[in-house]
Amino acid sequence: DVKVTQSSRYLVKRTGEKVFLECVQDMDHENMFWYRQDPGLGLRLIYFSYDVKMKEKGDIPEGYSVSREKKERFSLILESASTNQTSMYLCASSLWTSVETQYFGPGTRLLVL
Amino acid sequence: AQTVTQSQPEMSVQEAETVTLSCTYDTSESDYYLFWYKQPPSRQMILVIRQEAYKQQNATENRFSVNFQKAAKSFSLKISDSQLGDAAMYFCASLTGNQFYFGTGTSLTVIP
Repeated sequence: DVKVTQSSRYLVKRTGEKVFLECVQDMDHENMFWYRQDPGLGLRLIYFSYDVKMKEKGDIPEGYSVSREKKERFSLILESASTNQTSMYLCASSLWTSVETQYFGPGTRLLVL
Repeated sequence: AQTVTQSQPEMSVQEAETVTLSCTYDTSESDYYLFWYKQPPSRQMILVIRQEAYKQQNATENRFSVNFQKAAKSFSLKISDSQLGDAAMYFCASLTGNQFYFGTGTSLTVIP
């Protein structure tokens, strides 16, 4: 089974802190994605990566950056956390040849105070 | 940007009955995929069913089936013989190229 793990299930940070959300997949997938999930808004794509050191902006990249130094790991970085970044963050991965089949991590619920 | 619309924020169904969740989408592309994902409470999101736009036949996975109306850009999910374990948030999504677009979700309650 494909396994996508996220470093934390719950995280509480203060405004202005630098926040790292880590995602690891164990199936050698080329594509990795970061979404945020908010009630009434569904899932919105923040960034995705189709290869090591490659990244593409999604719909809402402002205030976020990403890092993909190794194929299995995709990090989401909040350079200076703000209260409007309080949300559920979901990571997903897929094969390049099967991008339509995404596997999701359990999510990280981030609260910024 | 493409949009995916789920007009039913909440739905409920009696156990063993059938329920249909609605989804419409907006795309100008001819090649795309459509999906229904399930997110149980406090659990990971998983794929329920997918449909390739070029296929006319509606996809079916056990008790889950879709009604894909390409001209109307409609993609509804039918759950037959509903079970308590079907209670979850359901998201409709479309994929064009490398980008997914998700609807706002429908919360399904199954009544014993």
